[in-house]
Amino acid sequence: NAGVMQNPRHLVRRRGQEARLRCSPVKGHSHVYWYRQLPEEGLKFMVYLQKENIIDESGMPKERFSAEFPKEGPSILRIQQVVRGDSAAYFCASSPGTGMSEAFFGQGTRLTVV
Amino acid sequence: DQQVKQNSPSLSVQEGRISILNCDYTNSMFDYFLWYKKYPAEGPTFLISISSIKDKNEDGRFTVFLNKSAKHLSLHIVPSQPGDSAVYFCAAVYSGTYKYIFGTGTRLKVLA
Repeated sequence: NAGVMQNPRHLVRRRGQEARLRCSPVKGHSHVYWYRQLPEEGLKFMVYLQKENIIDESGMPKERFSAEFPKEGPSILRIQQVVRGDSAAYFCASSPGTGMSEAFFGQGTRLTVV
Repeated sequence: DQQVKQNSPSLSVQEGRISILNCDYTNSMFDYFLWYKKYPAEGPTFLISISSIKDKNEDGRFTVFLNKSAKHLSLHIVPSQPGDSAVYFCAAVYSGTYKYIFGTGTRLKVLA
């Protein structure tokens, strides 16, 4: 998957806990996307970030979810006070530019809320 | 509002035959289309793409056809191999944006 690293691969949280998902993009890529795949559904856009900036978070639930992509370090998707409905596979992708270029995906983090 | 649709959730094909996966879209502003393959417990892997200025793009056993007037694209795999068994997603994006819109996927099973 062209070097996008996500960790952890699997994350189990109890209801009400916080979940932190990490994504290190392909070296040299400054554009990061987060997608969520619910069971039996396609990939749904959540947020698009460039270094230190959130460009579009229109796919993020208004509460409990936040994302960042700091100048140094991985991108973080943070879910506070998780609920069962947050259980899903969360995929991060990176690309070198906007629009007309292929995004490369990580292997995903499977979040299970118990 | 599902802007990118893959109406066939699953498809079974005999090894060596052609697999045809279909995708329809509603937004005429889309000008770049991609196909991704996904194995269980892995992230989507980029397969092939096509710009709206073309109607066909070929890469080995994989060919993508684009019919802009019908807002339809298809992925042809020939000959199909058991290792092609996976879920295939089509995605669309338009110039100056970044939001890849994905279809719901088609699960392809190639029978040996």
